[in-house]
Amino acid sequence: AQSVTQLGSHVSVSEGALVLLRCNYSSSVPPYLFWYVQYPNQGLQLLLKYTTGATLVKGINGFEAEFKKSETSFHLTKPSAHMSDAAEYFCAVSDSGGYNKLIFGAGTRLAVHP
Amino acid sequence: DAGITQSPRYKITETGRQVTLMCHQTWSHSYMFWYRQDLGHGLRLIYYSAAADITDKGEVPDGYVVSRSKTENFPLTLESATRSQTSVYFCASLRGRGETQYFGPGTRLLVL
Repeated sequence: AQSVTQLGSHVSVSEGALVLLRCNYSSSVPPYLFWYVQYPNQGLQLLLKYTTGATLVKGINGFEAEFKKSETSFHLTKPSAHMSDAAEYFCAVSDSGGYNKLIFGAGTRLAVHP
Repeated sequence: DAGITQSPRYKITETGRQVTLMCHQTWSHSYMFWYRQDLGHGLRLIYYSAAADITDKGEVPDGYVVSRSKTENFPLTLESATRSQTSVYFCASLRGRGETQYFGPGTRLLVL
């Protein structure tokens, strides 16, 4: 069965600093991987996804993630944090069963300080 | 406008009452999902559906009922609300594996 682990429930960075949010997954089949962001009092929206092809995936708002099969990781990065990046971030893997469910990690809350 | 909507956005009810949360999507996506979000638990799947009249239980289905008579609608009913069902509920839809799962804005439910 697939699972997702996000290391660090809270991450705090200074404005302009590198953002690194960690995600490790387990999957018995080639995974489809996703990062979603949730701003306060809103639903989740897709940041980026990996399905096949290039392992470095670029998303919205300057975020990118790299699929590393050997490390079963899909870490999210952004070179320079902005105050508006403060939100909760969820990593997810697509279930290989017929319903295409997403298996979510517990989430990482990113705080950005001036 | 196209998209996925939920109603009501906020609801206060009392223990023992029946409550129905509505979800509507305009894309004709086959798959739809209901999640609840609670502090310390992240997103937990309640029920999901692959098509009209095809539904199945997720991780936390107890106390909830769903139906899907039309592709675009996926209502979630709390048959007899309990305080433990106080939560934020999100509906989502998906066209197929590897596609983007789109989320509604959420319904904040308070059970007194």
